[in-house]
Amino acid sequence: DTEVTQTPKHLVMGMTNKKSLKCEQHMGHRAMYWYKQKAKKPPELMFVYSYEKLSINESVPSRFSPECPNSSLLNLHLHALQPEDSALYLCASSQNMGDRTLTTNTGELFFGEGSRLTVL
Amino acid sequence: AQTVTQSQPEMSVQEAETVTLSCTYDTSENNYYLFWYKQPPSRQMILVIRQEAYKQQNATENRFSVNFQKAAKSFSLKISDSQLGDTAMYFCAFMRLAGNNRKLIWGLGTSLAVNP
Repeated sequence: DTEVTQTPKHLVMGMTNKKSLKCEQHMGHRAMYWYKQKAKKPPELMFVYSYEKLSINESVPSRFSPECPNSSLLNLHLHALQPEDSALYLCASSQNMGDRTLTTNTGELFFGEGSRLTVL
Repeated sequence: AQTVTQSQPEMSVQEAETVTLSCTYDTSENNYYLFWYKQPPSRQMILVIRQEAYKQQNATENRFSVNFQKAAKSFSLKISDSQLGDTAMYFCAFMRLAGNNRKLIWGLGTSLAVNP
């Protein structure tokens, strides 16, 4: 199983709504990522969890709240978003973030299909 | 800080022909990985090919190969026998190996259209 599964695929929400994006992987990966991607642009890193602990927060506004309930699941809680937050949100996973003892670490990220978010 | 530059925002190629996408990067690191990722329209991002900086031999994956010039900090992707399914955004990316936080540094991408 080499899949990263994201739900929902599409989400439309108002600026006062609270919603969540979900991501799941069963590859035994210990690093999980949230990226934001605008059309025809590279992904922008938002958060990284390494061994279920928040490792990187790229100064993301607090209206985005990540959560990693266990090593297979990653959530992104959304509240009071702005129209400019409309984008494709990508989840990714990798073996880890740089464990030197893991000689087989290829550094490859496995991406989900993304959740396309529209904020009205 | 590391940077990745893709100088071709858009390219097109005829089916069955060969196309080369360019990528240059800037780093003072000696150990790193380089990647080409492909993102077809409305489909997920997938890894095309990966190169370890300490390996002199250029990586190949079927119709995809790279020309890795470490001294010139160049990492171009060659697609042979182009197919319609190769139509996609292609992103070049850099990952340093020092330390425990291996963030990907992305280029701006090249939009490749394969024409029938």
